[in-house]
Amino acid sequence: ETGVTQTPRHLVMGMTNKKSLKCEQHLGHNAMYWYKQSAKKPLELMFVYNFKEQTENNSVPSRFSPECPNSSHLFLHLHTLQPEDSALYLCASSQEFLGTGISQYFGPGTRLTVT
Amino acid sequence: EDQVTQSPEALRLQEGESSSLNCSYTVSGLRGLFWYRQDPGKGPEFLFTLYSAGEEKEKERLKATLTKKESFLHITAPKPEDSATYLCAVQGIQGAQKLVFGQGTRLTINP
Repeated sequence: ETGVTQTPRHLVMGMTNKKSLKCEQHLGHNAMYWYKQSAKKPLELMFVYNFKEQTENNSVPSRFSPECPNSSHLFLHLHTLQPEDSALYLCASSQEFLGTGISQYFGPGTRLTVT
Repeated sequence: EDQVTQSPEALRLQEGESSSLNCSYTVSGLRGLFWYRQDPGKGPEFLFTLYSAGEEKEKERLKATLTKKESFLHITAPKPEDSATYLCAVQGIQGAQKLVFGQGTRLTINP
């Protein structure tokens, strides 16, 4: 595997379910991110992790719970979601945190549908 | 607050018809301006980073330019495989690693 991988690619869940999204980066990066992409809206940053430590929570509801066990893996735990949470969830990584102009590399995303 | 506005929202061109996409931004102090390409059902793919006004970067049929208020992505003699959504993002001094994205321009190249 190369780059940033995400599983599952598609997920349908009911509002009472609990599920998790997984992200793995094979680039040796130290920072990882979760973004939400809804139709016709810009990408929204949700969480940032640097060396496994959460450095930013962009006012995300508590029904989204991130976990970063090491610099290569990132999870997003989901519970009691709402239909408006249906979106493409993207994971990204970058070499450094707080670096000027450091590029972020994205995974393919998980298409989440909440019914 | 850092802001990014992209125009047009959608653009249809014939193969070989050159054009430009616009990214207007306001930022406290620019650390970097990024262009990404996103194909349907996939994550954004990094294209360019620009750091200061006057800078230009090229990749195949794409050239990105930067002024103090906007960036242009010029597409020369496009091909159908250039069809995608192009995203612009800025990183400001106060935003640390936080990228602020525009809503994108959906480009379609007809054969």
